[in-house]
Amino acid sequence: DQQVKQNSPSLSVQEGRISILNCDYTNSMFDYFLWYKKYPAEGPTFLISISSIKDKNEDGRFTVFLNKSAKHLSLHIVPSQPGDSAVYFCAARVTGNQFYFGTGTSLTVIP
Amino acid sequence: EPEVTQTPSHQVTQMGQEVILRCVPISNHLYFYWYRQILGQKVEFLVSFYNNEISEKSEIFDDQFSVERPDGSNFTLKIRSTKLEDSAMYFCASSELVNNSPLHFGNGTRLTVT
Repeated sequence: DQQVKQNSPSLSVQEGRISILNCDYTNSMFDYFLWYKKYPAEGPTFLISISSIKDKNEDGRFTVFLNKSAKHLSLHIVPSQPGDSAVYFCAARVTGNQFYFGTGTSLTVIP
Repeated sequence: EPEVTQTPSHQVTQMGQEVILRCVPISNHLYFYWYRQILGQKVEFLVSFYNNEISEKSEIFDDQFSVERPDGSNFTLKIRSTKLEDSAMYFCASSELVNNSPLHFGNGTRLTVT
């Protein structure tokens, strides 16, 4: 039951360029979406979120876009920095408190 | 910045043994969660806990699992009789009692069942 999908297991980007991480979901009842960043041997760290009533949320270098009609979520990081190299998980929640996570995309930012 | 702390960082146990994984959530948070991640797989929801009772649980969270908040600060996950397939990273998380509040995760306990 894969309600949240990240179809790209890995992504490599040059430093200074834009990183775009994608996420698709199947459950139209999701009302809250999040992106997490995870370094090895650490827990996921919250990055940015968006409510289903919005289509864009920006925080510094990070912007999350939500396309409800396409059931698609993306995270843009610009400019990308080597310290951004990590695994990125998208997550979604149906009203309540169960969050569903994607399988993650490993981002490598090349100096 | 307040953080969720988990102990131990690594637990090795023999199949059939009981293990208790411990967590101290962020102090003003009222929702608590356990997630796990089997190596190479997605982060999976196990259980959420609010007001001293389970609010939701997944199919993974069967009778072998239990959670407890024994005092005002700790939140524990017990696995009664571990199986090889229980080997995973177990993450504790907590969140505030407000709408659209993100989960804050601990660094996890790596459980290895031999």
